[in-house]
Amino acid sequence: AQKITQTQPGMFVQEKEAVTLDCTYDTSDPSYGLFWYKQPSSGEMIFLIYQGSYDQQNATEGRYSLNFQKARKSANLVISASQLGDSAMYFCAMRELDSDSWGKLQFGAGTQVVVTP
Amino acid sequence: SQTIHQWPATLVQPVGSPLSLECTVEGTSNPNLYWYRQAAGRGLQLLFYSVGIGQISSEVPQNLSASRPQDRQFILSSKKLLLSDSGFYLCAWSGIAEKLFFGSGTQLSVL
Repeated sequence: AQKITQTQPGMFVQEKEAVTLDCTYDTSDPSYGLFWYKQPSSGEMIFLIYQGSYDQQNATEGRYSLNFQKARKSANLVISASQLGDSAMYFCAMRELDSDSWGKLQFGAGTQVVVTP
Repeated sequence: SQTIHQWPATLVQPVGSPLSLECTVEGTSNPNLYWYRQAAGRGLQLLFYSVGIGQISSEVPQNLSASRPQDRQFILSSKKLLLSDSGFYLCAWSGIAEKLFFGSGTQLSVL
């Protein structure tokens, strides 16, 4: 079963605007971590932000913030003040911390973001 | 600081030929190592992971195998490539912290 769902295959956003990328997840494990990665056209996967399931506050890293709604099982990424260099594929991922799946990230299908001038 | 090296960056191989992709990590010891594959326009699929030398776990039955001959070296291999093995292969490592750090990837085209 799909554990990470990203419902937006692609989005256009104007430079300097904010954009929200949706991510919902499915797990019965009480301990898990949620990640967002950026993949530009070069192919490298760049870590953006992390949210632990027990973290009380939403994670923030510069222009990136994670809107964590545990009851809804959603972990949306908000990029503020978009820049042309933000154009890339964005992946949401989850890591369940039980002993059988420790260390393994499960990825969503990704959202392609295009920032326009 | 830690770095991860993956090579080659691109590879074109005929069907039935062998494969060897190498990944090494510097600046850390006893990392967890991973091989992921990404089909065009899709998310990443975990192929193999390793928590120590000689310890390999396979996630997906397939034509590929992995080995970890040294603490910071992870190798992805195949004896005979199939067309369906084409894709973008990414090596990654993690330490005690939760984050995975990825290599630059190998674009494999099997023709």
